[in-house]
Amino acid sequence: DQQVKQNSPSLSVQEGRISILNCDYTNSMFDYFLWYKKYPAEGPTFLISISSIKDKNEDGRFTVFLNKSAKHLSLHIVPSQPGDSAVYFCAASSNAGGTSYGKLTFGQGTILTVHP
Amino acid sequence: GAGVSQSPSNKVTEKGKDVELRCDPISGHTALYWYRQRLGQGLEFLIYFQGNSAPDKSGLPSDRFSAERTGESVSTLTIQRTQQEDSAVYLCASSLAGTARYNEQFFGPGTRLTVL
Repeated sequence: DQQVKQNSPSLSVQEGRISILNCDYTNSMFDYFLWYKKYPAEGPTFLISISSIKDKNEDGRFTVFLNKSAKHLSLHIVPSQPGDSAVYFCAASSNAGGTSYGKLTFGQGTILTVHP
Repeated sequence: GAGVSQSPSNKVTEKGKDVELRCDPISGHTALYWYRQRLGQGLEFLIYFQGNSAPDKSGLPSDRFSAERTGESVSTLTIQRTQQEDSAVYLCASSLAGTARYNEQFFGPGTRLTVL
């Protein structure tokens, strides 16, 4: 049962344009969401997060939007740069059962390619 | 400072053999997580350590999998009698404290395990 889904395996955009990566979740107990970026042969690195009490969080070129009613979040990168080319993972955690630690449930990832 | 390191980076083994994967977390990080990423899938949570105790082992796929941690330092993930379905990248992550879900998890580069 895939609780976090990234339905687009890949996305290709032109440098300078906006990249929009999407993520859907099914577990209504999730209350904290994160995006990680992964380059080949490296571990994922944290990019940006959002708590369920917010609907938007912005950090420089990266903005994450959360639509709780639709159980959907998206990552916007603007303007996109060739160095942004990587695999992007959406992840979520919940406080179910008093879980106070950072157990994460990940989506399958989306390969972003930004063309010069 | 040094990040999370994992060894070996690659391991090829024959079905039925035992393997041991090692993780060196960032110094001072009390929380340690193991994840697994099978081909085309997202990261799956395996086990969480707070110090040298493991309050959550719920992600371990079978009793062939076990993990230990020495103090707040090195952790080893052992897979006994490996099967072909164990082939995956095994990732380790550490964070400052397990009591706060919002502490960033820093990932190692992973160990790619191939079971022939």
